[in-house]
Amino acid sequence: EAGVAQSPRYKIIEKRQSVAFWCNPISGHATLYWYQQILGQGPKLLIQFQNNGVVDDSQLPKDRFSAERLKGVDSTLKIQPAKLEDSAVYLCASSLEDYTEQFFGPGTRLTVL
Amino acid sequence: GQQLNQSPQSMFIQEGEDVSMNCTSSSIFNTWLWYKQDPGEGPVLLIALYKAGELTSNGRLTAQFGITRKDSFLNISASIPSDVGIYFCAGQPGRGAQKLVFGQGTRLTINP
Repeated sequence: EAGVAQSPRYKIIEKRQSVAFWCNPISGHATLYWYQQILGQGPKLLIQFQNNGVVDDSQLPKDRFSAERLKGVDSTLKIQPAKLEDSAVYLCASSLEDYTEQFFGPGTRLTVL
Repeated sequence: GQQLNQSPQSMFIQEGEDVSMNCTSSSIFNTWLWYKQDPGEGPVLLIALYKAGELTSNGRLTAQFGITRKDSFLNISASIPSDVGIYFCAGQPGRGAQKLVFGQGTRLTINP
C-alpha cells in the first residue's frame, strides 16, 4: 500500500513570499492532518480534516496559514506571507478514522530566509 | 495547553546496552503512543497503549502506560545501530479524541 505522499520535499523562500505544500493521503483514509515540526521539537498539529470538513484548526495561524481539502482526498497547505519563524518541517498524516493510527508522510522542509 | 515532558533529551550509549526513556504530563491522557523518526522522514508508530497499567512489547521494545495516566516509558533492550534516531512520545487527551500532543523527543546515538 502506498504511503502518504508530500511535495515538494524541500523549499527555500524569502520572507514575505508565499508557499504551498501538497499532501496525498493513503487511499481510503478519511482523516488528514497537517503538523508543523520546528527543529528540535515534536510535531504540533495545525489542522485536521475529516473528509473535506475541518475538525480542529485551533493552532493554525489563520492570518497567514490556510489549508483546504476540497474533494476530501488530497490537501494543500499555504503560507502567505511567510515569516522567518515559519522555517520548519511540515508533516502530513492520515488515518482511516479519526481515532485510529496516524501514518505520516516524509514532510516538506521549509526554509525562510 | 497540554504539554508532555520527555526525558532525557539525548542519550549516547554503546551498542548492546539497554535504553530507557520516559514521558510525563500534568494532565491525564487516555492513549499513549511512541514514535521513532529517522532523518528526513516522518514519525513511525512503534507502540500504542490504550489502558492504564498496560505493558506492551514490540520485539526489543517495551512500553508501559502509567497507572496515573500521566506518564509512560519506553525501554529498548540490546540496542543495535538501526535504533539510532529520535523517539517521541505522544498522547491523546480524550476518548476518541484525535489530536496528538507530542513530547520534545529523545535523540538516541549509539557507539558501535
